[in-house]
Amino acid sequence: DAGVIQSPRHEVTEMGQEVTLRCKPISGHDYLFWYRQTMMRGLELLIYFNNNVPIDDSGMPEDRFSAKMPNASFSTLKIQPSEPRDSAVYFCASSPRANRYSGNTIYFGEGSWLTVV
Amino acid sequence: AQKITQTQPGMFVQEKEAVTLDCTYDTSDPSYGLFWYKQPSSGEMIFLIYQGSYDQQNATEGRYSLNFQKARKSANLVISASQLGDSAMYFCAMTLNTGGFKTIFGAGTRLFVKA
Repeated sequence: DAGVIQSPRHEVTEMGQEVTLRCKPISGHDYLFWYRQTMMRGLELLIYFNNNVPIDDSGMPEDRFSAKMPNASFSTLKIQPSEPRDSAVYFCASSPRANRYSGNTIYFGEGSWLTVV
Repeated sequence: AQKITQTQPGMFVQEKEAVTLDCTYDTSDPSYGLFWYKQPSSGEMIFLIYQGSYDQQNATEGRYSLNFQKARKSANLVISASQLGDSAMYFCAMTLNTGGFKTIFGAGTRLFVKA
């Protein structure tokens, strides 16, 4: 089975430009998460969706960040305008409905490495 | 507030020996899940093991076992017979099972396995 697929894998962009990160979750998973990883702050949950509906976006750092999930197989995380402090690895992850044996194990994509110069 | 604490920024272990990575958590929610993930230098996050808050027995997955002490709110990862390929960053995580499935991660422990 295909895992969580993210694109692009690497992006270098200039400050002020719009950045769009894309994610295809594992088919059949009910939950989709966007995380950001930096050396200083570790892994931060930005937002998560349940059945395409945003449930908790309290981790979105500011209005420059937005996330959408128009259908069960696609999500985007957009940064507009981008700033150097947005440089990080952005992980998309998905999870099936929780069960007795595995809880809601999160399966991560390979990450999108963003550098804003 | 929910919190995950990993107090060991880095650990060394000799190949073929066992190692314990510490994790403590804080929540007042009675229903939660505890996880460990491995992040090798290539960057991907790999699920290792899961423990539910109501599980009576400690979880095991191959060379990985989770030492779950509910009263102490600890969920330490034990890796037996360490291998060079175990060198990586290890993250402890917790998910609350009520009010959604928000998962938070600890700061991580970097494990170095010596030949």
